[in-house]
Order: sequence, then structure tokens, then C-alpha cells
Amino acid sequence: GNSVTQMEGPVTLSEEAFLTINCTYTATGYPSLFWYVQYPGEGLQLLLKATKADDKGSNKGFEATYRKETTSFHLEKGSVQVSDSAVYFCATRGRAGGTSYGKLTFGQGTILTVHP
Amino acid sequence: DTGVSQDPRHKITKRGQNVTFRCDPISEHNRLYWYRQTLGQGPEFLTYFQNEAQLEKSRLLSDRFSAERPKGSFSTLEIQRTEQGDSAMYLCASSGETNNYGYTFGSGTRLTVV
Repeated sequence: GNSVTQMEGPVTLSEEAFLTINCTYTATGYPSLFWYVQYPGEGLQLLLKATKADDKGSNKGFEATYRKETTSFHLEKGSVQVSDSAVYFCATRGRAGGTSYGKLTFGQGTILTVHP
Repeated sequence: DTGVSQDPRHKITKRGQNVTFRCDPISEHNRLYWYRQTLGQGPEFLTYFQNEAQLEKSRLLSDRFSAERPKGSFSTLEIQRTEQGDSAMYLCASSGETNNYGYTFGSGTRLTVV
């Protein structure tokens, strides 16, 4: 089945710093890739997605590019804000017809804390 | 649309008791998923339904766990004879037909077994 490995946390940054959270995956075929965010006391929210190689997902200043050659989907933001403090999860979802179709496989999550 | 609703938000139960959680998905979504999240970990897949059919169950779903989606709308997850190791956040999510989109998650039910 699919698996996801995320950069170990926690990550602590000052406001306006550059953020990278690494994510690599193993999967058969061409999975869809996602980043989810969980703010304190809230449920998981989809942050961005990419469905094929070289696609770039973007939202709220965050970006991630689907790199098939390195099986990676690293999350980046050029200038973080205090309000970005949350837990970030990388996830894969298999293609139709495969055994992993339908279910998301998550990484362990990376806690991000941004200080003023 | 109010999104995916889960009830209750919190449940404290004594070891050995049975508990049941409910999930109401987004009305036009035909797929419904249950996940479990323990502290410091990502969500782990438990089971999923397409309409009323349960299509896949994880090895994590022991015989004490059962899930139903009787009319292809809401779903229930029951845990019988709860154990302390069952303490976790139980998440429900729904999605539509396309494979291109992520899920919409509910806020979860936090179970504490004492």
C-alpha cells in the first residue's frame, strides 16, 4: 500500500520566515497528493492538492509541486504568519482501480509554530 | 450545506461499555470514510462506504468495531466492549465520485475510555 513520510517536527519560525515541510511518498502508479491542515481545536481542512506529475498546488500562499522523479511533495510558503500555526499533514490517495483507491494515507503530521 | 457533521463531539465511557458515533456526510457525496487519529499521529484509515456498501475495512478494525450506512446517507460506528487503547479522535469524511478532490472532514468525536 501507499505510505507517506513527513519531516519531523515541531518546526518553530519567526513571522515572515520561509517555510519548507518535506514530504516523500511511496505508491504504485500515480497517486493524487494532498496537504491538509489542522488548526488548534478544529478539524482537518484541505490546504492544496496535485493530481499528476509536475502539477503545482497552491492556496493561501502555500505551494507544493508533485515531483514524480523524487517522489516528493514538499510544502513551502515564502512568508509565514502567526495564523499559520497548525499541524500540517501530507497525504496520498490511490488511483481508480488500484488497491489504495478511495482512502487517504497520511503522514504523521508536522507541528508548525510561528512567533511574532 | 453545513459540511460533515459528527455527533457527539466528546464521549467519555468506562472500559467495557459500548459506544456509538454518528456521521452525517455532505448530502451529495456518495462516499463516506472513517478514520482514527491518536495524539501525535496522522489519521489512520478504518473503513469506507460507497453508498450503502462497505467496500474496505482496515486490519485496525477489530471484531469489536462495526460500521453501517444503512440507506447510503448517515453512518454509525459502534465500538463494543471498549478498551483504553480505543481512546482516540474518530474522524468521518465524505467525498464525491471524482478521484481528483480531497475529502471534507468532520470535526471528529473524541473518545476517552477510563
